[in-house]
Amino acid sequence: AQRVTQPEKLLSVFKGAPVELKCNYSYSGSPELFWYVQYSRQRLQLLLRHISRESIKGFTADLNKGETSFHLKKPFAQEEDSAMYYCALRTKTSYDKVIFGPGTSLSVIP
Amino acid sequence: KAGVTQTPRYLIKTRGQQVTLSCSPISGHRSVSWYQQTPGQGLQFLFEYFSETQRNKGNFPGRFSGRQFSNSRSEMNVSTLELGDSALYLCASSVGSGDIQYFGAGTRLSVL
Repeated sequence: AQRVTQPEKLLSVFKGAPVELKCNYSYSGSPELFWYVQYSRQRLQLLLRHISRESIKGFTADLNKGETSFHLKKPFAQEEDSAMYYCALRTKTSYDKVIFGPGTSLSVIP
Repeated sequence: KAGVTQTPRYLIKTRGQQVTLSCSPISGHRSVSWYQQTPGQGLQFLFEYFSETQRNKGNFPGRFSGRQFSNSRSEMNVSTLELGDSALYLCASSVGSGDIQYFGAGTRLSVL
Protein backbone atom coordinates (compact mmCIF):
# COMPACT_ATOMS: atom_id res chain seq x y z
CA ALA A 1 0.00 0.00 0.00
CA GLN A 2 1.14 3.53 -0.71
CA ARG A 3 1.73 5.42 2.49
CA VAL A 4 3.69 8.32 4.01
CA THR A 5 4.61 8.34 7.68
CA GLN A 6 6.04 11.12 9.79
CA PRO A 7 6.82 9.61 13.18
CA GLU A 8 7.02 12.88 15.09
CA LYS A 9 3.82 14.79 15.58
CA LEU A 10 5.65 17.52 17.51
CA LEU A 11 9.30 18.48 17.40
CA SER A 12 10.94 21.19 19.49
CA VAL A 13 14.49 22.41 18.96
CA PHE A 14 16.48 25.38 20.18
CA LYS A 15 17.41 28.19 17.84
CA GLY A 16 20.74 27.45 16.20
CA ALA A 17 20.46 23.71 16.74
CA PRO A 18 20.25 21.25 13.84
CA VAL A 19 16.81 20.00 12.93
CA GLU A 20 15.69 16.84 11.15
CA LEU A 21 12.09 16.07 10.32
CA LYS A 22 11.63 12.43 9.45
CA CYS A 23 9.60 11.08 6.57
CA ASN A 24 9.27 7.48 5.46
CA TYR A 25 7.25 6.21 2.56
CA SER A 26 5.88 2.95 1.28
CA TYR A 27 5.66 2.66 -2.50
CA SER A 28 6.77 -0.04 -4.89
CA GLY A 29 7.33 2.23 -7.86
CA SER A 30 9.73 5.08 -8.51
CA PRO A 31 8.81 7.76 -5.98
CA GLU A 32 8.70 11.49 -6.26
CA LEU A 33 8.80 13.19 -2.88
CA PHE A 34 7.89 16.67 -1.72
CA TRP A 35 7.96 18.70 1.46
CA TYR A 36 5.17 21.21 2.02
CA VAL A 37 5.14 23.79 4.79
CA GLN A 38 2.37 25.75 6.47
CA TYR A 39 3.43 28.79 8.51
CA SER A 40 1.04 30.30 11.02
CA ARG A 41 -1.87 32.00 9.26
CA GLN A 42 -0.43 31.28 5.82
CA ARG A 43 -1.33 28.89 3.05
CA LEU A 44 0.16 25.46 2.71
CA GLN A 45 2.96 25.78 0.18
CA LEU A 46 5.64 23.71 -1.47
CA LEU A 47 9.02 23.87 0.30
CA LEU A 48 11.06 21.58 -1.90
CA ARG A 49 10.92 18.49 -4.11
CA HIS A 50 13.56 15.83 -4.37
CA ILE A 51 14.02 16.03 -8.13
CA SER A 52 15.11 19.65 -7.82
CA ARG A 53 17.92 18.76 -5.44
CA GLU A 54 17.96 22.34 -4.21
CA SER A 55 18.16 24.01 -0.82
CA ILE A 56 15.26 26.23 0.14
CA LYS A 57 15.50 28.48 3.23
CA GLY A 58 18.48 26.39 4.30
CA PHE A 59 16.53 23.13 4.18
CA THR A 60 17.65 20.10 2.23
CA ALA A 61 16.19 16.65 1.81
CA ASP A 62 17.77 13.57 0.31
CA LEU A 63 15.83 10.66 -1.04
CA ASN A 64 17.15 7.38 0.33
CA LYS A 65 15.51 4.61 -1.65
CA GLY A 66 17.17 1.90 0.42
CA GLU A 67 15.65 3.21 3.62
CA THR A 68 12.57 4.58 1.84
CA SER A 69 13.12 7.90 3.56
CA PHE A 70 13.07 11.56 2.64
CA HIS A 71 14.11 13.36 5.80
CA LEU A 72 14.16 17.16 5.89
CA LYS A 73 17.25 18.74 7.43
CA LYS A 74 18.58 22.14 8.36
CA PRO A 75 21.89 22.69 10.14
CA PHE A 76 20.84 25.73 12.17
CA ALA A 77 17.18 26.22 13.04
CA GLN A 78 15.69 29.71 13.05
CA GLU A 79 12.60 30.93 14.89
CA GLU A 80 10.87 31.60 11.57
CA ASP A 81 11.14 27.90 10.76
CA SER A 82 8.39 27.17 13.29
CA ALA A 83 5.58 25.71 11.20
CA MET A 84 3.73 22.57 10.23
CA TYR A 85 5.64 20.38 7.78
CA TYR A 86 4.07 17.77 5.54
CA CYS A 87 5.90 15.15 3.54
CA ALA A 88 4.13 14.07 0.34
CA LEU A 89 4.56 11.26 -2.16
CA ARG A 90 3.58 11.35 -5.81
CA THR A 91 2.58 7.96 -7.09
CA LYS A 92 2.29 6.96 -10.71
CA THR A 93 -0.24 4.29 -11.46
CA SER A 94 -2.91 4.58 -14.11
CA TYR A 95 -2.94 8.23 -13.09
CA ASP A 96 -0.84 10.24 -10.71
CA LYS A 97 -1.89 11.19 -7.23
CA VAL A 98 -0.29 12.83 -4.20
CA ILE A 99 -0.38 11.29 -0.73
CA PHE A 100 0.37 13.50 2.28
CA GLY A 101 1.84 12.39 5.57
CA PRO A 102 0.22 13.36 8.89
CA GLY A 103 2.56 16.30 9.40
CA THR A 104 5.12 17.38 12.00
CA SER A 105 4.74 20.58 13.95
CA LEU A 106 8.16 22.16 14.40
CA SER A 107 8.67 24.63 17.21
CA VAL A 108 11.96 26.53 17.38
CA ILE A 109 12.65 27.79 20.88
CA PRO A 110 14.46 31.15 21.06
CA LYS B 1 -1.14 35.22 -11.83
CA ALA B 2 -4.03 34.90 -9.39
CA GLY B 3 -3.74 32.14 -6.82
CA VAL B 4 -6.28 29.55 -5.80
CA THR B 5 -9.42 31.24 -4.53
CA GLN B 6 -11.79 29.61 -2.10
CA THR B 7 -15.17 31.01 -1.14
CA PRO B 8 -16.54 31.63 1.33
CA ARG B 9 -13.71 31.99 3.84
CA TYR B 10 -15.90 31.25 6.83
CA LEU B 11 -19.16 29.41 7.28
CA ILE B 12 -21.32 28.64 10.25
CA LYS B 13 -23.97 25.98 9.85
CA THR B 14 -26.11 23.85 12.13
CA ARG B 15 -26.33 20.09 12.26
CA GLY B 16 -28.40 18.57 9.51
CA GLN B 17 -27.88 21.41 7.07
CA GLN B 18 -25.96 21.11 3.85
CA VAL B 19 -23.16 23.32 2.56
CA THR B 20 -21.42 24.06 -0.74
CA LEU B 21 -17.85 25.30 -0.93
CA SER B 22 -16.27 26.76 -4.03
CA CYS B 23 -12.75 26.68 -5.42
CA SER B 24 -11.34 28.56 -8.39
CA PRO B 25 -8.01 27.11 -9.48
CA ILE B 26 -5.05 28.90 -10.96
CA SER B 27 -5.63 29.62 -14.62
CA GLY B 28 -4.43 26.71 -16.73
CA HIS B 29 -4.64 24.18 -13.90
CA ARG B 30 -6.93 21.28 -14.67
CA SER B 31 -6.62 19.29 -11.45
CA VAL B 32 -8.38 20.29 -8.24
CA SER B 33 -8.03 18.38 -4.99
CA TRP B 34 -9.93 18.86 -1.75
CA TYR B 35 -8.64 18.23 1.76
CA GLN B 36 -10.07 18.39 5.24
CA GLN B 37 -7.70 19.75 7.88
CA THR B 38 -8.33 19.32 11.59
CA PRO B 39 -6.02 19.58 14.61
CA GLY B 40 -6.57 15.94 15.49
CA GLN B 41 -6.48 14.27 12.08
CA GLY B 42 -4.23 16.62 10.15
CA LEU B 43 -4.59 16.85 6.38
CA GLN B 44 -6.98 14.28 4.99
CA PHE B 45 -7.60 13.81 1.28
CA LEU B 46 -11.22 14.07 0.18
CA PHE B 47 -11.16 13.80 -3.60
CA GLU B 48 -9.51 15.00 -6.76
CA TYR B 49 -11.04 16.15 -10.01
CA PHE B 50 -9.35 16.37 -13.36
CA SER B 51 -11.11 17.57 -16.49
CA GLU B 52 -14.52 17.29 -14.81
CA THR B 53 -13.92 13.68 -13.76
CA GLN B 54 -13.34 12.42 -10.25
CA ARG B 55 -9.92 10.77 -10.33
CA ASN B 56 -9.37 9.82 -6.72
CA LYS B 57 -11.45 9.61 -3.61
CA GLY B 58 -10.45 9.49 0.03
CA ASN B 59 -12.07 7.59 2.85
CA PHE B 60 -15.01 9.87 3.58
CA PRO B 61 -18.73 9.07 3.71
CA GLY B 62 -21.00 9.67 0.77
CA ARG B 63 -22.26 12.87 2.40
CA PHE B 64 -19.14 14.47 0.94
CA SER B 65 -19.36 15.02 -2.78
CA GLY B 66 -17.89 17.28 -5.37
CA ARG B 67 -17.86 18.27 -8.97
CA GLN B 68 -15.77 20.17 -11.44
CA PHE B 69 -16.96 22.43 -14.20
CA SER B 70 -15.61 22.88 -17.70
CA ASN B 71 -13.65 25.96 -16.59
CA SER B 72 -11.94 23.78 -13.91
CA ARG B 73 -13.73 25.50 -11.06
CA SER B 74 -14.80 23.00 -8.44
CA GLU B 75 -17.43 22.77 -5.77
CA MET B 76 -17.60 20.55 -2.75
CA ASN B 77 -20.87 19.69 -1.06
CA VAL B 78 -21.45 18.25 2.38
CA SER B 79 -24.98 17.13 3.19
CA THR B 80 -26.54 16.41 6.57
CA LEU B 81 -23.79 18.18 8.46
CA GLU B 82 -22.43 16.69 11.67
CA LEU B 83 -20.50 18.39 14.45
CA GLY B 84 -17.41 16.44 13.42
CA ASP B 85 -17.46 18.10 10.01
CA SER B 86 -16.16 21.30 11.58
CA ALA B 87 -12.79 21.83 9.93
CA LEU B 88 -10.71 23.85 7.54
CA TYR B 89 -11.41 22.68 4.00
CA LEU B 90 -8.54 23.23 1.63
CA CYS B 91 -8.56 23.21 -2.11
CA ALA B 92 -5.39 22.72 -4.14
CA SER B 93 -4.91 23.05 -7.86
CA SER B 94 -2.20 21.67 -10.09
CA VAL B 95 -1.48 21.54 -13.78
CA GLY B 96 -2.12 17.82 -13.83
CA SER B 97 -2.67 15.01 -11.37
CA GLY B 98 0.35 14.51 -9.15
CA ASP B 99 2.00 17.82 -10.04
CA ILE B 100 2.99 20.49 -7.52
CA GLN B 101 -0.13 21.57 -5.69
CA TYR B 102 -0.99 25.20 -4.97
CA PHE B 103 -3.29 25.65 -2.04
CA GLY B 104 -6.04 28.09 -1.35
CA ALA B 105 -6.50 29.84 1.98
CA GLY B 106 -9.29 27.46 2.87
CA THR B 107 -12.88 27.66 4.03
CA ARG B 108 -13.35 27.32 7.75
CA LEU B 109 -16.60 25.50 8.45
CA SER B 110 -18.11 25.49 11.91
CA VAL B 111 -21.03 23.19 12.57
CA LEU B 112 -23.08 24.06 15.64
